[in-house]
Amino acid sequence: GAVVSQHPSRVICKSGTSVKIECRSLDFQATTMFWYRQFPKQSLMLMATSNEGSKATYEQGVEKDKFLINHASLTLSTLTVTSAHPEDSSFYICSATGRGQDFGELFFGEGSRLTVL
Amino acid sequence: GQNIDQPTEMTATEGAIVQINCTYQTSGFNGLFWYQQHAGEAPTFLSYNVLDGLEEKGRFSSFLSRSKGYSYLLLKELQMKDSASYLCAVKDSNYQLIWGAGTKLIIKP
Repeated sequence: GAVVSQHPSRVICKSGTSVKIECRSLDFQATTMFWYRQFPKQSLMLMATSNEGSKATYEQGVEKDKFLINHASLTLSTLTVTSAHPEDSSFYICSATGRGQDFGELFFGEGSRLTVL
Repeated sequence: GQNIDQPTEMTATEGAIVQINCTYQTSGFNGLFWYQQHAGEAPTFLSYNVLDGLEEKGRFSSFLSRSKGYSYLLLKELQMKDSASYLCAVKDSNYQLIWGAGTKLIIKP
């Protein structure tokens, strides 16, 4: 199957700093990328949807100025958590879908565990 | 509103069979997915159903009844590595994925 790579897998940062997470589709063109957040023992919560070359669409309740998403190319999307606080500590997962995938199967990155001290 | 219901947790014995149910109420339907997620890892795709009936793939099978808003994932010959959370997700009329909270499956020897 298609491969999506996410980096870093783990990051620990101080409160008030910004953290960037990268999501790359390695062997297909990701026309759409999704960013999810998952708290312990909970399901995936969609944060935003981004299409290459256009602004991301954020879900209700997600602050677009705090969670900056850039989808500059068909293979790369980034999520920047600005001025991170301890409550932003979570598991962030990206997924992508691309052309030629009949039913829009999602391919997930490995996830990034963010811990804000 | 839209919601997906799955049992929170299930326990089964190695070598046995387990069925994980999922019921959904969504605005429209454009397919149902099952994903497996091991602790601390991202989900991996298991199956996709868009028409009624059973889809079999090795030890895993998935069933869909659109009229009942119901699906199940059947796991046969359970192995210890099958211990994971199983997520049911439905694509609604806007092709948005609505996720269930997941069922944590515990396999005992």
